[in-house]
Amino acid sequence: RKEVEQDPGPFNVPEGATVAFNCTYSNSASQSFFWYRQDCRKEPKLLMSVYSSGNEDGRFTAQLNRASQYISLLIRDSKLSDSATYLCVVILKTGANNLFFGTGTRLTVIP
Amino acid sequence: ETGVTQSPTHLIKTRGQQVTLRCSSQSGHNTVSWYQQALGQGPQFIFQYYREEENGRGNFPPRFSGLQFPNYSSELNVNALELDDSALYLCASSLGQGTDTQYFGPGTRLTVL
Repeated sequence: RKEVEQDPGPFNVPEGATVAFNCTYSNSASQSFFWYRQDCRKEPKLLMSVYSSGNEDGRFTAQLNRASQYISLLIRDSKLSDSATYLCVVILKTGANNLFFGTGTRLTVIP
Repeated sequence: ETGVTQSPTHLIKTRGQQVTLRCSSQSGHNTVSWYQQALGQGPQFIFQYYREEENGRGNFPPRFSGLQFPNYSSELNVNALELDDSALYLCASSLGQGTDTQYFGPGTRLTVL
């Protein structure tokens, strides 16, 4: 079983729509969680960290549900520029080889 | 921009050859991690270097090796290239090991023919 599972999509949504992605992780000892954004043929860029209390950055909201072992990303009022692949990242515990990426969820925002 | 640079940007090799990829970390960062990203997949952790020592390794064979220099720049070496080694190779720098936020370079796209 993979450490991190994501629905690969693609998600095609109209401008202005609200879209949500989920990511599940298998190890309950996981400590840290992030969402990265990756544009086509570019490197991943940190979008936001994910905390148990939830956190919001403008149109983006990230949530962590430890009981069900999933993290979510909500994008409100989608813009064309939001089109990208969104990767969730889970770190099991402190230590170099405990960082796992999901396969990514591809989002296309349509005019 | 993250300040992490990688060279070369693109590379074409043939099976059995060896390749060296380079990464310069962001100023002030002492940790470099290397990842392999195959098409349509998320990055897979290869290994991490912290203050010139290998600090952890993913599920990659020994023909993948690395080095970190006193200025914290790093190299990834791959021997006996195989077709499946074709991928985007990303390096990421961070201030410390483990859970610290990582900042990625633009990657080196390696094609093995």
